[in-house]
Amino acid sequence: EDQVTQSPEALRLQEGESSSLNCSYTVSGLRGLFWYRQDPGKGPEFLFTLYSAGEEKEKERLKATLTKKESFLHITAPKPEDSATYLCAVQAIQTSGSRLTFGEGTQLTVNP
Amino acid sequence: DTGVSQNPRHKITKRGQNVTFRCDPISEHNRLYWYRQTLGQGPEFLTYFQNEAQLEKSRLLSDRFSAERPKGSFSTLEIQRTEQGDSAMYLCASSLRLAGSYNEQFFGPGTRLTVL
Repeated sequence: EDQVTQSPEALRLQEGESSSLNCSYTVSGLRGLFWYRQDPGKGPEFLFTLYSAGEEKEKERLKATLTKKESFLHITAPKPEDSATYLCAVQAIQTSGSRLTFGEGTQLTVNP
Repeated sequence: DTGVSQNPRHKITKRGQNVTFRCDPISEHNRLYWYRQTLGQGPEFLTYFQNEAQLEKSRLLSDRFSAERPKGSFSTLEIQRTEQGDSAMYLCASSLRLAGSYNEQFFGPGTRLTVL
């Protein structure tokens, strides 16, 4: 069974204080790993897709990386508007329909 | 707005009542997914459609739940005889499935269900 574990559960940063969020996964064959951002009371917003170990993608202050067992979401010089829950999800090759298996998320708070 | 839309955004009902939610996917997307999310958890897969065909259902989807996607456009999710444990955010997502590729799923704003 596919499993995704995210850590930490919650992270509080000062504005400008860089850090990383972790996503560890177990999947029989990885088709893709996805990062989403979710604001309270809203649906997840797509950020990145990573397909193979060694791949990196960047968007503004966010950078996602992938190894064979985990992914990191690096946040450089965060701002208060980066406060949200960040969700990691995997898509398995063997899974028909390409459904996503999500972790529980990391709740990020950036204080001014 | 060309994103995924869901209605209603909030629904409060009494235990035992039936409820129906609607999802309108991004117009050119052929796949539509339903997920359920409870507080502090990530979304959990319920079911998905490719065009009008419902191709997979999670074991989370009890026989009180039914989903349809007539004509391969919008979809409805109905919950019969609601229970307090059904209280959750119900999320719809859509994607474009092309031969040999798998595209990202884009989510709607969700329908928040509260069962009293």
